[in-house]
Amino acid sequence: GGIITQTPKFLIGQEGQKLTLKCQQNFNHDTMYWYRQDSGKGLRLIYYSITENDLQKGDLSEGYDASREKKSSFSLTVTSAQKNEMAVFLCASSLRQGGTEVFFGKGTRLTVV
Amino acid sequence: GDSVTQTEGLVTLTEGLPVMLNCTYQTIYSNPFLFWYVQHLNESPRLLLKSFTDNKRTEHQGFHATLHKSSSSFHLQKSSAQLSDSALYYCALSDYNVLYFGSGTKLTVEP
Repeated sequence: GGIITQTPKFLIGQEGQKLTLKCQQNFNHDTMYWYRQDSGKGLRLIYYSITENDLQKGDLSEGYDASREKKSSFSLTVTSAQKNEMAVFLCASSLRQGGTEVFFGKGTRLTVV
Repeated sequence: GDSVTQTEGLVTLTEGLPVMLNCTYQTIYSNPFLFWYVQHLNESPRLLLKSFTDNKRTEHQGFHATLHKSSSSFHLQKSSAQLSDSALYYCALSDYNVLYFGSGTKLTVEP
């Protein structure tokens, strides 16, 4: 088996601040994802990457940047934190695109003050 | 674009009664993959079951679902709810590129 590690678990930032969330996986999966989880809105895709140095925008990419410098890691940057961005950010990975099981990390809870 | 609709945001049941959580989807892809993920409190979502075969029942851990392409549905069912089934359930669709999730249904099973 493998594991997806997200750091930090809790992130408190100030409005307007640039914040970075990190994710590491040891499944040796090709595809990695960042989802945002808000109560009542489900899991919304921010960015995904099908291989090292690849980036694909999801429906919620505005206000975020991502980076996939290694196969095992995928980071997400909130370019300018806003008060309405308090949410849980979930990193995930899968062996390849589509059709295969997606495994999730435990999440980073972001609070903007 | 692709989308998944879960009409019930909250479902509350008494233990022992049957469970049915609705899921419908829209996609232009002729062979979508459909999934149900479950997320218990303070845990990450994990796969409950999946299907890509039309009209074939898929079962796991007492839950079952059948993909019906004619009605674009993939409803989750269980014959008898248990207290431990209380969780958030997400229906999801993959068009081979990415996984799209519905808004989720919070199931609460009461004694």
